[in-house]
Amino acid sequence: KQEVTQIPAALSVPEGENLVLNCSFTDSAIYNLQWFRQDPGKGLTSLLLIQSSQREQTSGRLNASLDKSSGRSTLYIAASQPGDSATYLCAVYNQGGKLIFGQGTELSVKP
Amino acid sequence: DTGVSQDPRHKITKRGQNVTFRCDPISEHNRLYWYRQTLGQGPEFLTYFQNEAQLEKSRLLSDRFSAERPKGSFSTLEIQRTEQGDSAMYLCASSEWTSGSGELFFGEGSRLTVL
Repeated sequence: KQEVTQIPAALSVPEGENLVLNCSFTDSAIYNLQWFRQDPGKGLTSLLLIQSSQREQTSGRLNASLDKSSGRSTLYIAASQPGDSATYLCAVYNQGGKLIFGQGTELSVKP
Repeated sequence: DTGVSQDPRHKITKRGQNVTFRCDPISEHNRLYWYRQTLGQGPEFLTYFQNEAQLEKSRLLSDRFSAERPKGSFSTLEIQRTEQGDSAMYLCASSEWTSGSGELFFGEGSRLTVL
């Protein structure tokens, strides 16, 4: 059974700092991996989708990497801003197309 | 088409009442998924459909829960005899699995509060 773990559960950083969020999964036979952002009480906003054949994806200040063999992904946020404060969710697609989520990392960026 | 839409966005009900949520997927998508998210947790898979066929149901989907997608378009999720533990955000997503990337696109969710 696929399990997705995100570390840390919560993170507080000062504005301008670069940071890394970690995600690990137990079964390396994944289809794709996706990072989402969720603001309090809101739905999910897709940030980056990494296909299983890719090693990384970039969008603006965000960079996500994928190492299937070790069962790990990282989300790198450069020059963090207070507006980045949210919960970040990592999720993996199994071969059947179902998405399995981690519990999220709650990020707070202090001005 | 503007994406996945869910209705209602927020439902408050008393314990023991029945509630129904509706999800309208992106029109060309053949798969539709339901997830449940409780406070501080990641979304948990409930069930999914490919066209009108319900292909998988989680153990989380007790016999009080029923989901349908009668014509392979919109879907409903009904909860009978609601309990306080049913309070959660119910998320719907759709994807094009056969000819597309299989990426899931999520709606804004329906928040259920059971008093």
